Amino acid sequence: AQKITQTQPGMFVQEKEAVTLDCTYDTSDPSYGLFWYKQPSSGEMIFLIYQGSYDQQNATEGRYSLNFQKARKSANLVISASQLGDSAMYFCAMREDLSNDYKLSFGAGTTVTVRA
Amino acid sequence: DVKVTQSSRYLVKRTGEKVFLECVQDMDHENMFWYRQDPGLGLRLIYFSYDVKMKEKGDIPEGYSVSREKKERFSLILESASTNQTSMYLCASSILAGTSTDTQYFGPGTRLTVL
Repeated sequence: AQKITQTQPGMFVQEKEAVTLDCTYDTSDPSYGLFWYKQPSSGEMIFLIYQGSYDQQNATEGRYSLNFQKARKSANLVISASQLGDSAMYFCAMREDLSNDYKLSFGAGTTVTVRA
Repeated sequence: DVKVTQSSRYLVKRTGEKVFLECVQDMDHENMFWYRQDPGLGLRLIYFSYDVKMKEKGDIPEGYSVSREKKERFSLILESASTNQTSMYLCASSILAGTSTDTQYFGPGTRLTVL
């Protein structure tokens, strides 16, 4: 079964607008972490934001915020005030503390294109 | 800043060749990982290592082996390259904290083409 599902292969967003990238996950571990990475066309994976399963508040990092809905098993990334440099592929990933050692499970990714 | 480097950005090899992909990290991280990335499939873990000379199979180890003789260096080896190993290969490292907060830091990737 797929551990991480990203249902949006590609999205367009107007510059300065906000965009939400969907991510749902599947785990029976009570303790886990959720990550978002950005991959520009250069290829390097850049860590953006982290949310722990026991964190009470949604994570935020600058223009990035994570909308964590534990009961629905979703961890959507919100990018506010989009910039042209935000055009990239975005990956959601999960690490399960008990069942999966140190490994991350990744989704298929969402390509975001920011239009001027 | 964490720095993970990979020996080549682009590599072209022939079927049957032995291929070495090198990865070096400069942050004294215990864990190192090799992934391959294919369109529509995200990243899939090939092998990882949590200490020198230690290795563990990931989700798709077939056709690959690894070597970790020094803490900072993790090599991926394709014993006999095949066309279905044409892919983007990404190396990552993280500290050995053993918690879900561990962040993996990635190198720039090697795009391997096997002809």
